[in-house]
Amino acid sequence: GNSVTQMEGPVTLSEEAFLTINCTYTATGYPSLFWYVQYPGEGLQLLLKATKADDKGSNKGFEATYRKETTSFHLEKGSVQVSDSAVYFCALNNQGGKLIFGQGTELSVKP
Amino acid sequence: ETGVTQTPRHLVMGMTNKKSLKCEQHLGHNAMYWYKQSAKKPLELMFVYNFKEQTENNSVPSRFSPECPNSSHLFLHLHTLQPEDSALYLCASSLQRAGQKYEQYFGPGTRLTVT
Repeated sequence: GNSVTQMEGPVTLSEEAFLTINCTYTATGYPSLFWYVQYPGEGLQLLLKATKADDKGSNKGFEATYRKETTSFHLEKGSVQVSDSAVYFCALNNQGGKLIFGQGTELSVKP
Repeated sequence: ETGVTQTPRHLVMGMTNKKSLKCEQHLGHNAMYWYKQSAKKPLELMFVYNFKEQTENNSVPSRFSPECPNSSHLFLHLHTLQPEDSALYLCASSLQRAGQKYEQYFGPGTRLTVT
């Protein structure tokens, strides 16, 4: 079946540090891959997406590359800010509608 | 209004009350979803509607009753809830077409507390 695994949180970083949140997936065929972000007290916001192998999604300084060979879609940012503190969800769509989510990774950025 | 809106944002109800959550999408999508998000638990997909027809019900207790009168509106009717039903309820919408794998867009959620 389809599944998504994210690294356990919480992740605590100092401002301007480099961020990586690992995400690997299991799926047949070629799913679309997404990163969502959830700020405290809010719903999920689409952060970036990639729809085929080797695509790079990017937004607000965040990037993730669809790696078919390693079934991964790791989220990276070169210099995090306090305002990036949130929960990040990796997700895939392989069946035309239903999203499969990872468990979420909480990021805390300290000044 | 743009995107996906949900009302109310916060709701406190007793176990014998009846209340409804409302979701509206302004994106021209044809599919809508209800999710439950509890503390320390993964997101749980509850219901899926495609063109007003329910296409998925993930073994949700009958005290939760969805309604989708058209492609833009989705309701979740609540009655005789339990304290463990306290959670953030999220609505989402997307395009849904055969063979396509679209993203979903979420509303801000309704924080429900059952006392």
